[in-house]
Amino acid sequence: QQPVQSPQAVILREGEDAVINCSSSKALYSVHWYRQKHGEAPVFLMILLKGGEQKGHDKISASFNEKKQQSSLYLTASQLSYSGTYFCGTEPSSSNTGKLIFGQGTTLQVKP
Amino acid sequence: GAGVSQSPRYKVTKRGQDVALRCDPISGHVSLYWYRQALGQGPEFLTYFNYEAQQDKSGLPNDRFSAERPEGSISTLTIQRTEQRDSAMYRCASSLAAGGETQYFGPGTRLLVL
Repeated sequence: QQPVQSPQAVILREGEDAVINCSSSKALYSVHWYRQKHGEAPVFLMILLKGGEQKGHDKISASFNEKKQQSSLYLTASQLSYSGTYFCGTEPSSSNTGKLIFGQGTTLQVKP
Repeated sequence: GAGVSQSPRYKVTKRGQDVALRCDPISGHVSLYWYRQALGQGPEFLTYFNYEAQQDKSGLPNDRFSAERPEGSISTLTIQRTEQRDSAMYRCASSLAAGGETQYFGPGTRLLVL
């Protein structure tokens, strides 16, 4: 039931691009993306809703394939500040309560 | 404006003691969620409230865990007769409403049971 994230870890040079994927076995109402730095709280990046609505930061882009129950987060022209662990949180269609089930995380390291 | 706050930030207790963890959500947020996060893992859902009503407590590990939000604002997560396996980061999040809304996380309470 826990969504599967891939890859588990990524190392980039500043300016390079990365894609992080999140796949669920259940039909989804929404997918939430967070970034967490060591010792800090998860910080909201993006929410993608069934039907195509998105809310999030201008510099972050993501997609949500409802039929495949998959979402991808696109990080372009990466900066050092992008380093951290990225989590997707999925909200099942049967729920619509905000109860999120989080993936195991993708660790991103951006080097100068 | 002020974000979600939690207290205490750190709690060390002895096995068998009861602990109460507090969460103060963003003002006006209807929904409040409790999660537990192990080191290196994603947050794990425990329970959630809409206003003062506890809507889902399916994630609470056992009956030693309980939560309340009596006036629809501040919430308390209580763990009775703590065990070493209860040691973790406990996080609270709040959102404007349930379902499809951004959840804002608090700084968490790091609980260590000796």
